[in-house]
Amino acid sequence: EVQLVESGGGLVQPGGSLRLSCAASGFTFSSYEMKWVRQAPGKGLEWVSYISSSGSTIYYADSVKGRFTISRDNAKNSLYLQMNSLRAEDTAVYYCARGTGYSAWGQGTLVTVSS
Amino acid sequence: QAVVTQEPSLTVSPGGTVTLTCGSSTGAVTSGHYSYWFQQKPGQAPRTLIYDTSKKHSWTPARFSGSLLGGKAALTLSGAQPEDEAEYYCLLSYSGAPLFGGGTKLTVL
Repeated sequence: EVQLVESGGGLVQPGGSLRLSCAASGFTFSSYEMKWVRQAPGKGLEWVSYISSSGSTIYYADSVKGRFTISRDNAKNSLYLQMNSLRAEDTAVYYCARGTGYSAWGQGTLVTVSS
Repeated sequence: QAVVTQEPSLTVSPGGTVTLTCGSSTGAVTSGHYSYWFQQKPGQAPRTLIYDTSKKHSWTPARFSGSLLGGKAALTLSGAQPEDEAEYYCLLSYSGAPLFGGGTKLTVL
């Protein structure tokens, strides 16, 4: 069974940092590009970042460029999102998603940025 | 930066047909935007229905179809069921980061 499980969310102060993880199982993780998508409370979806299967190609939304870093460890079947200089507007549920067709989603992890 | 537009809300009768659209502020939506459609119900993660304009996943009900219509991406639901009541989001790919539309709240009533 294909599974994506996010973790690492929590409460952080403005300006702080957090590292999200997405543990993959049930498929050959190293064969798939991966994305992060977020959703602020009561709001719509926002695309955040992309990483190719090898990790050689990376894209970011303008809203997080320079503050967030996406990475992956194919040996550990894991995707990461390092989030620095966090702002109140980064408060959201963060989802990881698999592949070109967004063929699997995790259940999400909530990040709250507040003092 | 481009803006992706969707109808804020639509209503369809059970068994009826409805088309949701997804437009781009930069001009006509084409196959090059590789449009996607996602369904999200309250408290749940999104579920992908359509990718690359019209391709379906194995779990996509046959009553959903994707297309290009009048310069927009379109999601057509034929034979609406009560369980189709949800928020629907489109996603368009650009040369930079992809962009989501604001979502369409679909009511089956």
